Amino acid sequence: EIVMAESPATLSVSPGESATLSCRASQSVSSNLAWYQQKPGQAPRLLIYGASTRATGIPARFSGSGSGTEFTLTISSLQSEDFAVYYCHQYNDWPLTFGGGSRVEIK
Amino acid sequence: QVQLQESGPGLVKPSETLSLTCTVSGGSISRYYWSWIRQPPGKGLEWIGYIFYSGSTNYNPSLKSRVTISVDTSNNQFSLNLGSVTAADTAVYYCARHVSAMSSFNLWGRGTLVTVSS
Repeated sequence: EIVMAESPATLSVSPGESATLSCRASQSVSSNLAWYQQKPGQAPRLLIYGASTRATGIPARFSGSGSGTEFTLTISSLQSEDFAVYYCHQYNDWPLTFGGGSRVEIK
Repeated sequence: QVQLQESGPGLVKPSETLSLTCTVSGGSISRYYWSWIRQPPGKGLEWIGYIFYSGSTNYNPSLKSRVTISVDTSNNQFSLNLGSVTAADTAVYYCARHVSAMSSFNLWGRGTLVTVSS
């Protein structure tokens, strides 16, 4: 199976600053990569699919890039509601797999 | 708008079968793919398997021997059965929708915690 690894495990950021999260796949997933945001006690919410396309209703401060095995999620000008755990997810091969998550916390 | 709601027992005994149902409201179950995903407390996400409204399925090989997913289109529901459970199956179980077999999950239920304990 394709192993997804996110880094860093935890990122401490001040409100208003930007955050960059990385996701690496153990083999190429082309652009079949999604990012989700999860807050405590809530279900994950789709942010990005196709590596770089924002899902419906997602603010423009969220952006995704990359292809193959290296991907990035950038959150510009972090708002209070952006502090959460972020997961990458590959849907290029079976079984579908997720990264272990990156936590963005308030500095 | 379309909503998903998981339901089922919150406590299951070891060696028994975990059974959950996801009800789709505000829209039809047809023409979409429907997955079960779980998250052990404090851990990451694991895809369990999916069913298409027509009944075709695909399961995670790590769970395939214990998993059955079925669909009831007349009631707009799909269900998960996971047999021979152990404490390692304790998790929040989510149902989710995707538009094709291999695509992102664009709609999630709120999740339900299932604890395996005697």
